[in-house]
Amino acid sequence: QSVLTQPPSASGTPGQRVSISCSGSSSNIGFNYVYWYQQLPGTAPKLLIYRNNERPSGVPDRFSGSKSGTSASLAISGLRSEDESDYYCATWDDSLSGPVFGGGTKLTVL
Amino acid sequence: QVQLQESGPGLVKPSQTLSLTCTVSGGSISSGGYYWSWIRQHPGKGLEWIGYIHYSGRTYYNPSLKSRVSISVDTSKNQFSLRLSSVTAADTALYYCARLQSPNWGPPYFDYWGQGTLVTVSS
Repeated sequence: QSVLTQPPSASGTPGQRVSISCSGSSSNIGFNYVYWYQQLPGTAPKLLIYRNNERPSGVPDRFSGSKSGTSASLAISGLRSEDESDYYCATWDDSLSGPVFGGGTKLTVL
Repeated sequence: QVQLQESGPGLVKPSQTLSLTCTVSGGSISSGGYYWSWIRQHPGKGLEWIGYIHYSGRTYYNPSLKSRVSISVDTSKNQFSLRLSSVTAADTALYYCARLQSPNWGPPYFDYWGQGTLVTVSS
């Protein structure tokens, strides 16, 4: 069981906006930045969002992140077929003194 | 661009020790501001942090695995390694090595990952 809670699946049609939630606690999301990773089938996770809402170079602005209290969310606008992937949220847990992850959300583009 | 590559046996017998090495290229493992980490992913499941090491040798382990885990670093080879003892079928997973960047503005986060290597525990 993962420390952070994500819905196991999400879906949308091309062009739509979808949102993926990530819930934690005061020892992790509550006081630390949230990161999002995209894991395309058969590949390593790739950093998508860092420091709650910032995008590394090369990540399209269709991807955005937000955080409020002990929850965070990833939004993808203008959904495209290549966005079909697993998405993981992550943050630091002060009680664990280490990183924690969500269980992952499988996004299907219908 | 930093690249990480895992290597090691893909099959380990129960009760034995799993050993993996991560080779870092495109950057020095001795660079300040980074930790070097192992993460695993059970088949069809989410990600689990195993532990991380600083080039100085300072280590931090997930409490759930701490009694069986050892991570070491070899700065001369730009490598770091994982040893997981007394393995069982529950340790069958895809094992990733990754770099943890330690920024000035907050706790560390993963910025680069290896491709991962599948380790199966079976007799």
